[in-house]
Amino acid sequence: DVKVTQSSRYLVKRTGEKVFLECVQDMDHENMFWYRQDPGLGLRLIYFSYDVKMKEKGDIPEGYSVSREKKERFSLILESASTNQTSMYLCASSFGEGARLSLAQHFGDGTRLSIL
Amino acid sequence: AQSVTQLDSQVPVFEEAPVELRCNYSSSVSVYLFWYVQYPNQGLQLLLKYLSGSTLVKGINGFEAEFNKSQTSFHLRKPSVHISDTAEYFCAVSFSYNTDKLIFGTGTRLQVFP
Repeated sequence: DVKVTQSSRYLVKRTGEKVFLECVQDMDHENMFWYRQDPGLGLRLIYFSYDVKMKEKGDIPEGYSVSREKKERFSLILESASTNQTSMYLCASSFGEGARLSLAQHFGDGTRLSIL
Repeated sequence: AQSVTQLDSQVPVFEEAPVELRCNYSSSVSVYLFWYVQYPNQGLQLLLKYLSGSTLVKGINGFEAEFNKSQTSFHLRKPSVHISDTAEYFCAVSFSYNTDKLIFGTGTRLQVFP
């Protein structure tokens, strides 16, 4: 079974802090994703990465950055946390486009981040 | 523009009743379709997917969905729900020109009452 592990289930930080959310997958997936989930808005893509050191902006990248130094690990960084970044953050991974038998993304359990 | 619509934000239903959660998409290219379920305080779990072949797809926990290309729909159904099916359900679409990315609907909260 695919395992996507997010380092924290709950996190509380202060406005202006630099925040790191970590995600690790154990299935050698090429793609990794960061989403935020807000009531009534569904999941919105922040950033994704299709290879080590590669990244692409999603729909709402403002205020965030990412790092992928190793294939299994994808970090989301809030450069200067603000209260409007209070949300549930979900990490996911999947095989690359060539694996057409799959395509499904596998999700971690999420990190509920509160910025005070 | 490519999009996914889940018309019902909430669906209340009694236990053992049938349920249908609706999903429509807008696309000018071929699509791949997914339904995910999210139980409270958990991440998303894949229920089922349509990539090709038979338009009726069976998934886990007794759910099934039918791909209707002419109506651009992928509705999720279960003939008899349980209390344990109470969760949020998300429809998602991947487009043939970029299969790495998923576009999610806004979700439907299914609440099953005894």
